[in-house]
Amino acid sequence: GAGVSQSPSNKVTEKGKDVELRCDPISGHTALYWYRQRLGQGLEFLIYFQGNSAPDKSGLPSDRFSAERTGESVSTLTIQRTQQEDSAVYLCASSLERTGGEEKLFFGSGTQLSVL
Amino acid sequence: QKEVEQDPGPLSVPEGAIVSLNCTYSNSAFQYFMWYRQYSRKGPELLMYTYSSGNKEDGRFTAQVDKSSKYISLFIRDSQPSDSATYLCAMSAWTSGSRLTFGEGTQLTVNP
Repeated sequence: GAGVSQSPSNKVTEKGKDVELRCDPISGHTALYWYRQRLGQGLEFLIYFQGNSAPDKSGLPSDRFSAERTGESVSTLTIQRTQQEDSAVYLCASSLERTGGEEKLFFGSGTQLSVL
Repeated sequence: QKEVEQDPGPLSVPEGAIVSLNCTYSNSAFQYFMWYRQYSRKGPELLMYTYSSGNKEDGRFTAQVDKSSKYISLFIRDSQPSDSATYLCAMSAWTSGSRLTFGEGTQLTVNP
């Protein structure tokens, strides 16, 4: 596709349920990132995938959060036993490749997650 | 203390005004500096990217970096209602690789 695609755009769930968020990066982009944006706050890094390398999971806030990526394409972010503090916009981004700090990220429109 | 500080605003200006948006940072390892623009219900889009201290101009936008003061700015000349958005600064160090550190974002409204 022309840009990073995320689905669903909105997700309302009950506390304690599991949710799965999907990201389709730009074709040819080897690097993929997940960020979380709470209301009125900056972007919080969650996880980073680069090719076949082990993902950088250092930003995941708890073991309830996990993410997978199939090759250099689709990624899913899973949140188990959701809590109200998980309510946020989850943004996915992709870039051509990791080159030190020079990554130019292209973001999707995000998934607005609301945990009731 | 946050690594990157940005005044969240909101900032409201009349059309045609010069807008100044700023961020300060504490990590002297940061070498790459970016400004992203985020419209409501959309993901951030890269607006400006700078590496060295000094100014970089692109149309109505000028990005300024002062590494000695750990201070970056984005200036918007002849602001337009279409510039109304949230502006996020972001920065990274060579060694941080994947991790961009973002400011909180400044909400800007340009009134016609």
